[in-house]
Amino acid sequence: ETGVTQSPTHLIKTRGQQVTLRCSSQSGHNTVSWYQQALGQGPQFIFQYYREEENGRGNFPPRFSGLQFPNYSSELNVNALELDDSALYLCASSFRGGLSYGYTFGSGTRLTVV
Amino acid sequence: GNSVTQMEGPVTLSEEAFLTINCTYTATGYPSLFWYVQYPGEGLQLLLKATKADDKGSNKGFEATYRKETTSFHLEKGSVQVSDSAVYFCALVQGAQKLVFGQGTRLTINP
Repeated sequence: ETGVTQSPTHLIKTRGQQVTLRCSSQSGHNTVSWYQQALGQGPQFIFQYYREEENGRGNFPPRFSGLQFPNYSSELNVNALELDDSALYLCASSFRGGLSYGYTFGSGTRLTVV
Repeated sequence: GNSVTQMEGPVTLSEEAFLTINCTYTATGYPSLFWYVQYPGEGLQLLLKATKADDKGSNKGFEATYRKETTSFHLEKGSVQVSDSAVYFCALVQGAQKLVFGQGTRLTINP
């Protein structure tokens, strides 16, 4: 059983640029969630995708967008990068419809905006 | 809205000491509760969970009991090891939606 894989592991971007982060979900999981973890803080929910549609969104502006593909993998896109977007971005996959919640996290992508 | 409050860190203990990290939550209804651990430079790993009141989650010597009456889910371990040094996050979820995390507690175990 493969876990959650995220790419790239590290990324440096300039303010105003756009970035795409990628996530491959765990085998058998059909739901993907994205979280932003600023330094020294707990992860904050960005959004969740189920059946290729956004299914819940946290308090993040529209320049944070995503996609889920038929194989349940996902992308997080951030436009017009700001310095405060520097953080660890975590992807978590789960199976919606199960009786217990199994959220499996990837190792994250560390984004630095300069 | 739902929220999680954790004991502030950092926490520093000697090897073989007893560990307690406090966690309380605010939620309507009956959330599921989790403890996640994050080792340096890594993502989150599920440590244990409890899905209903009075459930006890346990793993690797760690335990936490879902206390509905005190809205708490305190993490305990009887004898910590240097390898337990990490950041610990308490979290809750309701419905098939988002996890809500506490701010994290950094634990350092000295030999």
